[in-house]
Amino acid sequence: GIQVEQSPPDLILQEGANSTLRCNFSDSVNNLQWFHQNPWGQLINLFYIPSGTKQNGRLSATTVATERYSLLYISSSQTTDSGVYFCASLGPTGTASKLTFGTGTRLQVTL
Amino acid sequence: DGGITQSPKYLFRKEGQNVTLSCEQNLNHDAMYWYRQDPGQGLRLIYYSQIVNDFQKGDIAEGYSVSREKKESFPLTVTSAQKNPTAFYLCASTLTGGWRGSTDTQYFGPGTRLTVL
Repeated sequence: GIQVEQSPPDLILQEGANSTLRCNFSDSVNNLQWFHQNPWGQLINLFYIPSGTKQNGRLSATTVATERYSLLYISSSQTTDSGVYFCASLGPTGTASKLTFGTGTRLQVTL
Repeated sequence: DGGITQSPKYLFRKEGQNVTLSCEQNLNHDAMYWYRQDPGQGLRLIYYSQIVNDFQKGDIAEGYSVSREKKESFPLTVTSAQKNPTAFYLCASTLTGGWRGSTDTQYFGPGTRLTVL
């Protein structure tokens, strides 16, 4: 199956800083999604972005499908951005919404 | 409010016991999923169901069982055959069972933290 690699594994930012998280895939992707898991374990879908760029407030995401990677940008970070960010995808032979998740980037935003 | 509920939030199991984790959704979604998350790791798929009365094994189904008798419910049983069940369990759903190229996003419940004593 598809392999999903995320970097960096850990990130510490001061409030107000910007950051870029990266997701690399071993094969072509379908149904690429970014999620945020808060410190209590709740997972929230941030973006469905199989290609192109989307923005939602201080967050934006870009997927370059031909080069098999996706980026998540966080601008003017806040302490509430802390948690783990996951990317996930179906892969080229995926059926159903059977996503493969990366191991995540753990973000800590400090005052 | 529409959403996914999981219960209990915390669960403790003795060695050799079966336990059942509840997952209920009122989103009218066809498909439901169970994931396992170990500390510092991503999510791994245990079982999924694209429609009522049908389910398929995911990547780590051994030692687990599920049923899908109702559209809104997808309980997971962790059996005594699961040798290392201590983990965080997450239930999710999507509007449809999804096919390649599906635009469905996954919605997650709050999770159940299972600990084996």
